[in-house]
Amino acid sequence: DTGVSQNPRHKITKRGQNVTFRCDPISEHNRLYWYRQTLGQGPEFLTYFQNEAQLEKSRLLSDRFSAERPKGSFSTLEIQRTEQGDSAMYLCASSLAAQGTPSFNQPQHFGDGTRLSIL
Amino acid sequence: AQTVTQSQPEMSVQEAETVTLSCTYDTSESNYYLFWYKQPPSRQMILVIRQEAYKQQNATENRFSVNFQKAAKSFSLKISDSQLGDTAMYFCAFIIPNGGYQKVTFGTGTKLQVIP
Repeated sequence: DTGVSQNPRHKITKRGQNVTFRCDPISEHNRLYWYRQTLGQGPEFLTYFQNEAQLEKSRLLSDRFSAERPKGSFSTLEIQRTEQGDSAMYLCASSLAAQGTPSFNQPQHFGDGTRLSIL
Repeated sequence: AQTVTQSQPEMSVQEAETVTLSCTYDTSESNYYLFWYKQPPSRQMILVIRQEAYKQQNATENRFSVNFQKAAKSFSLKISDSQLGDTAMYFCAFIIPNGGYQKVTFGTGTKLQVIP
């Protein structure tokens, strides 16, 4: 078990460019979450998937943001036309929700995050 | 709206001493789960301890324990016998199950420094 893996670790880009981040969850985990964390703040929930279905999106996720998990394994988060305010750490987490059991108390395992800096 | 408040931005404690981190939250839901996460400098966030809101008994995990006061909407974390490796940001969070969906809310964190 290699844990949750996120790539790249750092991304520096110019304002207006598109960026894409990847998250590989723990292999048997069926739930995957994206968070954004700015300096001095706690993580802010962006969206989450159960298998390939995107079940919830935060209002923070503007039209410029899109997330996919096409095969229910890895996920990508794309930001189009990046803005200065998008600079943050983007965290991915995964958890196992067993069918037919209360799943909301399963701990989330976090990756190292992708730090995005917009020039 | 759900909110989590951690009123202590920074705290310090002597090694081997005990420290308590405070957390209050606000929700109209009755069923939820509370967590404390630890984020060491430049390292992954990891779960420290969790508490089901329907359980009256406070959760304990080795040197970590919570004081859960549901009526007061308070969920403090006590770290006993503090160790240098406990130096980290600590985040309080809660999850509200809603038809199988999960609304996750984190606090702003408390930076804990353990002093040798």
